[in-house]
Amino acid sequence: AQTVTQSQPEMSVQEAETVTLSCTYDTSESDYYLFWYKQPPSRQMILVIRQEAYKQQNATENRFSVNFQKAAKSFSLKISDSQLGDAAMYFCALEASGTYKYIFGTGTRLKVLA
Amino acid sequence: DAGITQSPRHKVTETGTPVTLRCHQTENHRYMYWYRQDPGHGLRLIHYSYGVKDTDKGEVSDGYSVSRSKTEDFLLTLESATSSQTSVYFCAIGGRANTGELFFGEGSRLTVL
Repeated sequence: AQTVTQSQPEMSVQEAETVTLSCTYDTSESDYYLFWYKQPPSRQMILVIRQEAYKQQNATENRFSVNFQKAAKSFSLKISDSQLGDAAMYFCALEASGTYKYIFGTGTRLKVLA
Repeated sequence: DAGITQSPRHKVTETGTPVTLRCHQTENHRYMYWYRQDPGHGLRLIHYSYGVKDTDKGEVSDGYSVSRSKTEDFLLTLESATSSQTSVYFCAIGGRANTGELFFGEGSRLTVL
């Protein structure tokens, strides 16, 4: 069975500062995808970043980057130069090859302080 | 944006009544998913479909059924709604056969009184 754990229900960051959201996962598969999704107050789910397990290089998308530690089964999201618009719920998700099931964590609510 | 729409967007119903939520896509994706979102639980998979008439259960399938008679439509039915099914329901499409990511609808808020 696949599991995703987000141990930080809520985080705060000062505008322009850097924050890291944690995610750990468990799967017995060697081929899998990991994702971070953002859900602003509008409720729309937006893909932030994606990481394929076979890629050793950490994915980056502008101010968003991940620290993918495969052996530790850890997948943290770093947001640099935080902006007010980054305030949202962030969900970590896992899809393991052959399952076609996307498993989500419980989410971390990020507050950005002006 | 992926062409995916959910209906109704909001619904209030009473315990014991049947409810059907519809997910419609215009992207011809093979895989479609239904999730529910509840505080403290994140998104939990209810059912998913991997083709017309091909469906499978997710983590929280009890009390729900689904049908997919054509590629573009995926229906979620609560045969007899209960208060514990009050939630926000999301449909998603996509998966490995495409870019790997899921594209989500805007969600349907269901309240069961």
